[in-house]
Amino acid sequence: QSALTQPASVSGSPGQSITISCTGTSSDVGSYNLVSWYQQHPGKAPKLMIYEGSKRPSGVSNRFSGSKSGNTASLTISGLQAEDEADYYCCSYAGISTYVFGTGTKVTVL
Amino acid sequence: QVQLVESGGGVVQPGRSLRLSCAASGFTFSNYGMHWVRQAPGKGLEWVAVISYDGIHKYYADSVKGRFTISRDNSKNTLYLQMNSLRADDTAVYYCAKSLLMWEQTYYFDYWGQGTLVTVSS
Repeated sequence: QSALTQPASVSGSPGQSITISCTGTSSDVGSYNLVSWYQQHPGKAPKLMIYEGSKRPSGVSNRFSGSKSGNTASLTISGLQAEDEADYYCCSYAGISTYVFGTGTKVTVL
Repeated sequence: QVQLVESGGGVVQPGRSLRLSCAASGFTFSNYGMHWVRQAPGKGLEWVAVISYDGIHKYYADSVKGRFTISRDNSKNTLYLQMNSLRADDTAVYYCAKSLLMWEQTYYFDYWGQGTLVTVSS
């Protein structure tokens, strides 16, 4: 159950697009289309942003999108806004009803 | 509206036990699997355990297997985490989280509590 690998930080200017990668293995990300993404502001609980790889829960902006290729999932934030500055975590089903989170990425809006 | 409220955190000595509770409201608790997720100070999220909607099936992260027990009381709309043989590296904020989908589909966490801090220190 090793953590999925994410870049420690990603930054962009307002209005730009950024992409956060989430690399796992053939035992988790590569085997299941069951990846989710969470946004966490400092001192707050995480918020579900993307599930089943690319679906958005009700209320989540369509500026957030997800995809997957092989063992790597990605989260793209388009039209970056100041309020998007936060930590982002991916999470994948890892079989036998277990789950693994990514290492987390700090997004900075320049 | 969905609410999850954790309680039971605190300071505990290594080797001792602690039980966390998570009171749920605003949804049909007995229809959803529930999770515990923790976050050590300044660190990332770590999935801890999941319990099925009916309380029958329980699964754990390797790091807590054999020491922690997840349970639920659907008549009280409450989730529990019994933590035994606590270690310093169990120090974290513990969140309970609701599964997005009903019944056996526990894949995503759509509502989270505010978290309760557990500090293991002598």
